[in-house]
Parts: sequence; C-alpha cells; structure tokens
Amino acid sequence: AQKVTQAQTEISVVEKEDVTLDCVYETRDTTYYLFWYKQPPSGELVFLIRRNSFDEQNEISGRYSWNFQKSTSSFNFTITASQVVDSAVYFCALSEAGQGGKLIFGQGTELSVKP
Amino acid sequence: DAMVIQNPRYQVTQFGKPVTLSCSQTLNHNVMYWYQQKSSQAPKLLFHYYDKDFNNEADTPDNFQSRRPNTSFCFLDIRSPGLGDAAMYLCATSRLQGATNEKLFFGSGTQLSVL
Repeated sequence: AQKVTQAQTEISVVEKEDVTLDCVYETRDTTYYLFWYKQPPSGELVFLIRRNSFDEQNEISGRYSWNFQKSTSSFNFTITASQVVDSAVYFCALSEAGQGGKLIFGQGTELSVKP
Repeated sequence: DAMVIQNPRYQVTQFGKPVTLSCSQTLNHNVMYWYQQKSSQAPKLLFHYYDKDFNNEADTPDNFQSRRPNTSFCFLDIRSPGLGDAAMYLCATSRLQGATNEKLFFGSGTQLSVL
C-alpha cells in the first residue's frame, strides 16, 4: 500500500541553522512522483518541488536542497541557513502513475525558526 | 494575485445544519479538487472534478457533495455536518487529470467549525 511518513512532527531551530526534514515513502509502482509543499500560517499549500522516480539527482534551489534516494525510499529536504520566514508546516507527498492530483501526503513537519 | 480563492476563510455552522463552502479559480484549469485536512493531520482527497465529470473517493462519506456549475467555480456541500467534520477544507486546481507529475495550486482553505 502507498504511504508517506514524516517522522518529525515538530522541529525548532534558531535562525541560520541548517535543518533537514525527513520523508520516507512506500509504493509498489515503479513510476511515481514525489513532492514537497509548504503550508505557511496563511493556510495555502505552496508547491516547492517535484521529482520523478527515475531521476535520483539531488537538486538545489537557493537555500533549499533535496536528496532523493530510492535505495532507502527517502526524499529529504534541507534548508540551509534557515530564516524566520521558513517557519511553516512542510508536507511530503506521493503521486502514483496515472493518479496525478490524488496526492498521498505525509503527516507534515512543523518547522519553527526562532530569531 | 490569488489564483485559487476560497470563501469564507472561517465558517461556523451548527451540528446538522447544511453548509456550503465555495472555491473559484482564475487559472482556467480543467481539474478542481477538494481536500479535507483535520487538525495536525495530512490533507485527504475527498473528490475532484475533471471538467464536469465528478470523481468521488471511495471512502468519502455520503454527507459530502460537490457541484461545479462552470469552469471557474466549485462548491462543497456538507448536508448534515457532525462534530467530526470540523476541519480545514482545501480547494486545489490542476491543468490536467491523471498526469503523475501534475502540480496542484491550492487556495488558502476554509476552516470549518461545527458547534
């Protein structure tokens, strides 16, 4: 069965610290996509990244980086030099073949960045 | 400018009193979704419309209905809200249905309270 697990419920860091949010997924499909969304206090989920199951290259976008490892079924998200504006709930999600839009979300990790 | 708009931001209803939540979009996307997010939980898909075709998730209670009168608008009707229906309801859109890599655009949500 498909499942996404974000074991860290809450993380609190001080500004400028690096922080990694963990995501582990389960699926029987060989074709799938993984996503990260950010949910700030305003409520709307904001798309951050998607990665397909055949592309294990890590990606960096500014202070954000993502590490996808099929061998461990993990898709971890690192924020370098965290800022107060990074405070939000972060969701990892899975989309299986042909099921686009039907996202299977993890429980979310609430990140609090303190000044 | 907001592309997926949900009104109202907060909705209070009484136990058993029908309530309607609304969503509009300016993206001209074909697909509109309703997700339910209970406190500190992952968002869960209730149903979606591909154009005028309604697609219900198997475990969505009959108490929840939806209408899509045109491309821009979609409504979520809860016929007899129970205390367990208190949640954030998120509307989302996407251009295509079923594409595994499809990115969703979310509204800010409507927080429903049931008294």
